[in-house]
Amino acid sequence: GENVEQHPSTLSVQEGDSAVIKCTYSDSASNYFPWYKQELGKGPQLIIDIRSNVGEKKDQRIAVTLNKTAKHFSLHITETQPEDSAVYFCAASSNRGSTLGRLYFGRGTQLTVWP
Amino acid sequence: KAGVTQTPRYLIKTRGQQVTLSCSPISGHRSVSWYQQTPGQGLQFLFEYFSETQRNKGNFPGRFSGRQFSNSRSEMNVSTLELGDSALYLCASSLGQAQETQYFGPGTRLLVL
Repeated sequence: GENVEQHPSTLSVQEGDSAVIKCTYSDSASNYFPWYKQELGKGPQLIIDIRSNVGEKKDQRIAVTLNKTAKHFSLHITETQPEDSAVYFCAASSNRGSTLGRLYFGRGTQLTVWP
Repeated sequence: KAGVTQTPRYLIKTRGQQVTLSCSPISGHRSVSWYQQTPGQGLQFLFEYFSETQRNKGNFPGRFSGRQFSNSRSEMNVSTLELGDSALYLCASSLGQAQETQYFGPGTRLLVL
């Protein structure tokens, strides 16, 4: 099955700095890559996603890049703010009928933004 | 549009008991997936239902089961609870097609004593 690895597991940055989280995946059939933010006591919330026919996607301070050849994708957060502090998860899924509806998650990155 | 709702939010059970958790998807969504989240194992896929049929299943023992109703609401059941079943149980809903966004509920926190 798919294996998603995520680094780093913890990340501390100063307010205003950029944060980068990287993920790799193993299954070349994976073609959808969402990123979720989970705050304490809440469920994961989608913040951005990218499909395999796109190399980069941006939404205000958040961007995601995808390198299909190398099988890795990254989340970039610019001008970080204290409210960006949370656990971030990357995930991957494919079109395969046997895994439809299934997301494979990385282990998460605890991001702390210091004021 | 209302989000995914899960009930109950918190639950305390003892070993050997069984538990039923409920998930109401976003209106119009036909797929409901269930995940178990623990500090040790992270987010693990339990199963996915689409139009009342289990379409996919993760690597969990048969004590974990689920179903989906005609209104797309879903329930999962865990029988003969073990201490290791203590976790946050999350459900996610989507339209059910490939590459569709999954929206998560707040989860049910289960503690097994």
